[in-house]
Amino acid sequence: AQKVTQAQTEISVVEKEDVTLDCVYETRDTTYYLFWYKQPPSGELVFLIRRNSFDEQNEISGRYSWNFQKSTSSFNFTITASQVVDSAVYFCALSEAENTDKLIFGTGTRLQVFP
Amino acid sequence: DTAVSQTPKYLVTQMGNDKSIKCEQNLGHDTMYWYKQDSKKFLKIMFSYNNKELIINETVPNRFSPKSPDKAHLNLHINSLELGDSAVYFCASSQGRTSGGWSTDTQYFGPGTRLTVL
Repeated sequence: AQKVTQAQTEISVVEKEDVTLDCVYETRDTTYYLFWYKQPPSGELVFLIRRNSFDEQNEISGRYSWNFQKSTSSFNFTITASQVVDSAVYFCALSEAENTDKLIFGTGTRLQVFP
Repeated sequence: DTAVSQTPKYLVTQMGNDKSIKCEQNLGHDTMYWYKQDSKKFLKIMFSYNNKELIINETVPNRFSPKSPDKAHLNLHINSLELGDSAVYFCASSQGRTSGGWSTDTQYFGPGTRLTVL
């Protein structure tokens, strides 16, 4: 069965600290996709990244980086030099290619960045 | 130039009423979705449509009826509203399906509709 676990319910950091949000997934499919979405206090869901199961290269986009490790079924997200504007709930999600196109979300991690 | 839009943004209504939420996307996508986010922020898919055809129906009560008049619109009608229907409802869209029949594309979400049933 497919499942996404975000064990960290809430993380608080002070501005300029680095922070890593953990995501562990379960799937029986060999082809799947992993996503991160950001939900700021205004409520919308903002797409951040998508990775497919065949591409384990880490990705960096500005202060954001993602570490995909199939060996540990993890897709962790690191924010470097965090800023107050990074305060949001971050969701990791999984979609399995063979079944449906539904996104299975983790329960989210609330990140609070204090000035 | 909003990509995925929903109306209304807020909806407050009494138990037992019928209400609709509208969704439109101008991305040219073929597949549209409805998700429900509960009070604990948990997001779960309800329905998906591809080119006006129902693809996913995730054991949602039949009081919820999606309607897709064309591939750019997916509306959600809810009959006999109950207290437990209070949530934020998100519409999303993605580009489409591969020849193998499944969608690999990123889903882009609308701003959400906060439904409160009193």
